[in-house]
Amino acid sequence: GAVVSQHPSWVICKSGTSVKIECRSLDFQATTMFWYRQFPKQSLMLMATSNEGSKATYEQGVEKDKFLINHASLTLSTLTVTSAHPEDSSFYICSAREQGAQAHIYGYTFGSGTRLTVV
Amino acid sequence: GNSVTQMEGPVTLSEEAFLTINCTYTATGYPSLFWYVQYPGEGLQLLLKATKADDKGSNKGFEATYRKETTSFHLEKGSVQVSDSAVYFCALRDGGATNKLIFGTGTLLAVQP
Repeated sequence: GAVVSQHPSWVICKSGTSVKIECRSLDFQATTMFWYRQFPKQSLMLMATSNEGSKATYEQGVEKDKFLINHASLTLSTLTVTSAHPEDSSFYICSAREQGAQAHIYGYTFGSGTRLTVV
Repeated sequence: GNSVTQMEGPVTLSEEAFLTINCTYTATGYPSLFWYVQYPGEGLQLLLKATKADDKGSNKGFEATYRKETTSFHLEKGSVQVSDSAVYFCALRDGGATNKLIFGTGTLLAVQP
């Protein structure tokens, strides 16, 4: 089946620094990637949708200048948390949607998540 | 807009008990429906799905039937195991241009030996 590799799995950074999270589709081409933030007590919030080669579409209330998303190729999307602060500490998960007919079979494949802690 | 409502947890069961996690949805048309499972510290894994009314998705002993008349997609398992302890998310695929997934709030299941 489809596999999405997300790195790092956890990161601790100092307040004011930036952190980049990578999401790679290993054996398929992902035309669309989604970035989620998971809050305590489980709830998943969709932050943005990115399509290869175009600007990401951010959900209402998500700061696009703070959460920079790049989807430069069909197998790689990155989320950069700029000038991170403690309130940005969270679990971030990416998801990739396969191109073409495979989308109906596998649909959406999720990365294993990144635990970000800002101190 | 489209939305998913999921029963709140946590749900605590003894091993071999019967499990039901309720999920209802609000949507225009007939969206595809999914159940995802998240084990501690991990991302989400697809558990099962159904793409049209009356479809039954099943996997690893879990089942859910797409009920159009009640707009529901309840997750069931006849006999749970300790290894089933996880968070379960109900989701629908939004029919817009992005086909994004809309999730319920998740239900924590704890199975005790």
